Amino acid sequence: NAGVTQTPKFQVLKTGQSMTLQCAQDMNHEYMSWYRQDPGMGLRLIHYSVGAGITDQGEVPNGYNVSRSTTEDFPLRLLSAAPSQTSVYFCASRQRESYEQYFGPGTRLTVT
Amino acid sequence: DQQVKQNSPSLSVQEGRISILNCDYTNSMFDYFLWYKKYPAEGPTFLISISSIKDKNEDGRFTVFLNKSAKHLSLHIVPSQPGDSAVYFCAASNSGGSNYKLTFGKGTLLTVNP
Repeated sequence: NAGVTQTPKFQVLKTGQSMTLQCAQDMNHEYMSWYRQDPGMGLRLIHYSVGAGITDQGEVPNGYNVSRSTTEDFPLRLLSAAPSQTSVYFCASRQRESYEQYFGPGTRLTVT
Repeated sequence: DQQVKQNSPSLSVQEGRISILNCDYTNSMFDYFLWYKKYPAEGPTFLISISSIKDKNEDGRFTVFLNKSAKHLSLHIVPSQPGDSAVYFCAASNSGGSNYKLTFGKGTLLTVNP
């Protein structure tokens, strides 16, 4: 199993550009989440999904869009990038009845 | 409003000694707690967890203690090894709440010196 994979590993965007961060898992987990990690802020939940076709907002959803068309994939879209979105983004997945989340390796995004 | 607090941004210990990482929480509805370990340029990995029905859980060199009345938990690493140097995140969840969402603390950077 590859576990949770994320692409790209690094990305630089200009303010106003859009892009999609990819996330895929091969563990057949129903639950998937996106977090951002900023210095001194820990991990903050952006959006999450409890299954294909179902998504919901987390703690810091503004400026981000998600969709879940399959169990395996959970892309995160930045509609119009802003410098405040410079961060490291982690995707995670877990089984329905488990607290333990499996994290991907992260995408480091810089918005100039 | 920070519901999970790790008040020590960093901790430095000598190899072979005990490392104690602390975590406080304010939400009395939290009933499950986890510790994650994160190396630079990698995603966090699960380390150990504890349910609120227990006050201690042990896994090899790692032990988590929970004091519900004080809303405090701690992670003990004995003996500490240089490979334990990483950022440790405390996380909490409310099983009766929304979909087992985790609330994370800000993390503590542990450095184990040889």
